[in-house]
Amino acid sequence: QVRLVESGGGLVKPGGSLRLSCAVSGFTFSDYYMSWIRQAPGKGLEWVSYISSSGITKYYADSVKGRFAISRDNAKNSLYLQMNGLRAEDTALYYCAGGPTSLQFDSWGQGTLVTVSS
Amino acid sequence: QSVLTQSPSASGTPGQRVTISCSGSSSNIGSNTVNWYQQLPGTAPKLLINSNNYRPSGVPDRFSGSKSATSASLAISGLQSEDEADYYCAAWDDSLNGWVFGGGTKLTVL
Repeated sequence: QVRLVESGGGLVKPGGSLRLSCAVSGFTFSDYYMSWIRQAPGKGLEWVSYISSSGITKYYADSVKGRFAISRDNAKNSLYLQMNGLRAEDTALYYCAGGPTSLQFDSWGQGTLVTVSS
Repeated sequence: QSVLTQSPSASGTPGQRVTISCSGSSSNIGSNTVNWYQQLPGTAPKLLINSNNYRPSGVPDRFSGSKSATSASLAISGLQSEDEADYYCAAWDDSLNGWVFGGGTKLTVL
């Protein structure tokens, strides 16, 4: 059974940092292409970042480029998102999602809430 | 402002057929496949349709997808109350080098 569990969210002041984690089980993580996708309260879905199965290829949305960094540890079956320079507009529920191809998000976690406020 | 355009709302009565549209451009829908995600209230999104018109295992055949040029559609036939949800289209964008989503369509079953 595929399972993705996010953690690391919380309340942080503007300009602060957070590191999100996504622990996966039930599939061969090293075969999966992964992304972080966020959803601001009451709003739609916004893709944040992508990482290939090997970790070599990474992409970022313009809104987070230069501030966020995606990484993975295939030995630990974990995906990460280092978020620096946080802004109020980064407040959202952050989902990790991925699949065995880079073509769609087959599986999703339940999300971890990040709130940026003074 | 989302890169892919969806109507904010749609509605239908039980048993009806409803269609949700998604409009993009040559850099996204025009050159890549479209996926549809269903988000039931208070839950994480779920893959509903992939590669324009394929249903993942477990998705009822009441759901179908299509694509033409720079637009895509999701059709739901035999509408049921449990179909009440938000529906999002998504595609890779070659110009942005990233995934783009539609703004979502809230489906209400009357």
